[in-house]
Amino acid sequence: GESVGLHLPTLSVQEGDNSIINCAYSNSASDYFIWYKQESGKGPQFIIDIRSNMDKRQGQRVTVLLNKTVKHLSLQIAATQPGDSAVYFCAENIRGGADGLTFGKGTHLIIQP
Amino acid sequence: DSGVTQTPKHLITATGQRVTLRCSPRSGDLSVYWYQQSLDQGLQFLIQYYNGEERAKGNILERFSAQQFPDLHSELNLSSLELGDSALYFCASSVSIAAGANVLTFGAGSRLTVL
Repeated sequence: GESVGLHLPTLSVQEGDNSIINCAYSNSASDYFIWYKQESGKGPQFIIDIRSNMDKRQGQRVTVLLNKTVKHLSLQIAATQPGDSAVYFCAENIRGGADGLTFGKGTHLIIQP
Repeated sequence: DSGVTQTPKHLITATGQRVTLRCSPRSGDLSVYWYQQSLDQGLQFLIQYYNGEERAKGNILERFSAQQFPDLHSELNLSSLELGDSALYFCASSVSIAAGANVLTFGAGSRLTVL
């Protein structure tokens, strides 16, 4: 089965609100996680990453939280804007692995005006 | 522009045919990864090359093959095409071997339609 997955396929939020996108992983050997954003017609674009020795990392308007106890990853986007509308993927890399990132199926974030 | 260049952007072909997708990695990146993205399977890792050598294989069919050339560009060859091969094919590159050590930078993708 797939190691990384997302709880909700679609998330709709009001412009200006905060959004939280969740991701579950099952491989305890995963030591590196990335969130990607994919806009229509484009390739995935790096947003933020976090290593397993951290539980929180902040970027510009985005925060990633990692809970290793329950193998859960979340992406928080503050004050969402129309440009945040996209599909968001979490991805993991297994410690010592050179076999590429394993991606979840993605959550489509829709920003309502 | 991510710095990863993929051609062609769109390709329409018939079942049984063969196509080649091309990728130029970001300047300085030695690793190239190929992913397939379809509606029902999400992003699936196909294969990885590092400095001209195959490093890892994912869910790549035997009908598919790839290589990385001395100038570090890569080609993904898809043969005996089937309707189910219709998908977006992404190339990504990174500096290091292990994906966890460096962020993968993705190209804009090649959309393959098999009729």
